[in-house]
Amino acid sequence: GDSVTQTEGPVTVSESESLIINCTYSATSIAYPNLFWYVRYPGEGLQLLLKVITAGQKGSSRGFEATYNKETTSFHLQKASVQESDSAVYYCALGRTGGYKVVFGSGTRLLVSP
Amino acid sequence: DTTVKQNPRYKLARVGKPVNLICSQTMNHDTMYWYQKKPNQAPKLLLFYYDKILNREADTFEKFQSSRPNNSFCSLYIGSAGLEYSAMYLCASSRDKGERLFFGHGTKLSVL
Repeated sequence: GDSVTQTEGPVTVSESESLIINCTYSATSIAYPNLFWYVRYPGEGLQLLLKVITAGQKGSSRGFEATYNKETTSFHLQKASVQESDSAVYYCALGRTGGYKVVFGSGTRLLVSP
Repeated sequence: DTTVKQNPRYKLARVGKPVNLICSQTMNHDTMYWYQKKPNQAPKLLLFYYDKILNREADTFEKFQSSRPNNSFCSLYIGSAGLEYSAMYLCASSRDKGERLFFGHGTKLSVL
């Protein structure tokens, strides 16, 4: 079946440092999956951070970026300079255009220290 | 209002007793989902409603029931809770297939 593997947390980074959270996927039933990053901030529900549906394209939101790499089946999340408010749990996920099911990774907790 | 509401936030249940969790959304979304989330595991899709049609995942088919009396509400029902049902239950909705999911805060179920 389809699966997503991401950096095991927690990941601890100092404020203003750069960040990368790795995500690789296996899409056995989907030729060209849609890729997502969702985030759960403390006390809030999961929410979409960014989405990319075309291989080779980059998505960005709130200073975060992720590039859909079909060759390496990866969708790593990066940020050049993190802030304390970025402390949250980040989930990589894949889905299919026109499909209902979204497969999530197990999440990566990010702790940003001041 | 782009919110999905879940009640209650915390639920305590006894082994062998039924459990009913409630979810609502006011975005007029066609599809509503229930996910189960255990610590250090990925959220796992249990079932979803597209309009009035219920779709349950094969490996959880007999463990969970659901109802959707109208577009806004969806419930998740466990007929006889076991210790393995202790988890966070996440409700989500989407406007259409493949669209972004909007999640509630979740209901943390503890079965004792």
